[in-house]
Amino acid sequence: AQKVTQAQTEISVVEKEDVTLDCVYETRDTTYYLFWYKQPPSGELVFLIRRNSFDEQNEISGRYSWNFQKSTSSFNFTITASQVVDSAVYFCALSETPSGNTPLVFGKGTRLSVIA
Amino acid sequence: NAGVTQTPKFRILKIGQSMTLQCTQDMNHNYMYWYRQDPGMGLKLIYYSVGAGITDKGEVPNGYNVSRSTTEDFPLRLELAAPSQTSVYFCASRALGANTEAFFGQGTRLTVV
Repeated sequence: AQKVTQAQTEISVVEKEDVTLDCVYETRDTTYYLFWYKQPPSGELVFLIRRNSFDEQNEISGRYSWNFQKSTSSFNFTITASQVVDSAVYFCALSETPSGNTPLVFGKGTRLSVIA
Repeated sequence: NAGVTQTPKFRILKIGQSMTLQCTQDMNHNYMYWYRQDPGMGLKLIYYSVGAGITDKGEVPNGYNVSRSTTEDFPLRLELAAPSQTSVYFCASRALGANTEAFFGQGTRLTVV
């Protein structure tokens, strides 16, 4: 069965600090996809990134970077030089099976507070 | 481009009342989902559908019903509202394939008193 664990419930950092949000997943499939979503205080869910199980290259997008390591079943998310606007709940999610018939399974989320 | 639209945005129900949360998407997505998010918690899957006429239970289906008569619409029905159903409800849709991201509606904040 698929499972996503985000062990950090809440994190507080001071503006301009770097912060890493951890995500550990479990799956029996060899083909799967991982996602990160952001939920700002306004409540909507915003897609950030997807990564497939065959691509272990790290991804960088501006101040955001993602580190995917199959050996440790982790897909961690780092924000460099954090800003107050980064304050949000961040969710990691997993999708199994090539057909995608199984729904996205979400972790419980990590609430990030960036203090000015 | 509307995406996924949920109505209403807010609702207060009395215990025992019924209501339907509406969800419609205009992206011709096969997959649609209903999640609930309790305060300070993650997303729990209530029901999902892989296409018109097909629905399946998720993690927390008790107290809810769904139907999928068209590709666009996926309403969620609460028959006898209970305080435990106080939550924020999100509808989402995805295109075919495990690599596709889910698009979410704005959510419906439901309070049962």
